[in-house]
Amino acid sequence: GEDVEQSLFLSVREGDSSVINCTYTDSSSTYLYWYKQEPGAGLQLLTYIFSNMDMKQDQRLTVLLNKKDKHLSLRIADTQTGDSAIYFCAESIRGGSYIPTFGRGTSLIVHP
Amino acid sequence: DTEVTQTPKHLVMGMTNKKSLKCEQHMGHRAMYWYKQKAKKPPELMFVYSYEKLSINESVPSRFSPECPNSSLLNLHLHALQPEDSALYLCASSQPGQGTGANVLTFGAGSRLTVL
Repeated sequence: GEDVEQSLFLSVREGDSSVINCTYTDSSSTYLYWYKQEPGAGLQLLTYIFSNMDMKQDQRLTVLLNKKDKHLSLRIADTQTGDSAIYFCAESIRGGSYIPTFGRGTSLIVHP
Repeated sequence: DTEVTQTPKHLVMGMTNKKSLKCEQHMGHRAMYWYKQKAKKPPELMFVYSYEKLSINESVPSRFSPECPNSSLLNLHLHALQPEDSALYLCASSQPGQGTGANVLTFGAGSRLTVL
């Protein structure tokens, strides 16, 4: 089955890098997503990666995938106060249910 | 247009009221979703419509009744709700990705429901 785990909280200083971690269960043919949710708002897709990739970079965001350990991370370079939000990792299985399963979310707090 | 629009943004209702939440998208997406989200929790899937037909009902109580009048609209009819139903209700849409690739959901901003 699908099960996505995340740590609940992360606190960083403005200008530092943030690394948000996620572990997942299914690995053979999986899409993995990162969504951001600001207070009182819906979820916004940041990026996604297919399980045959090791890394994806998009401006300040870097996604790293360790397939052996089923570990996904999202690195935010030069973190800003506007990055404070809840970050959800999600997984959908290619060839199975196409509905993403969400982790519990990591609350990122950025201090000035 | 790359948005999912939800109305109303806020709704307060009594336990005997009947109200509806509305969702609209014009991206040509053929899958639409209702999620319920409690504070500090991930979104919980309630219903999925695929090509205007209900394809998934996650054992949601009958006091929640979804409707998909056409490919751009999704409604959630509410009747005889309980205080524990108070939550943020999120609508999302996507191109159905069954077996073919990533299923990227576009979410609306949500309707904040309070049941008194």
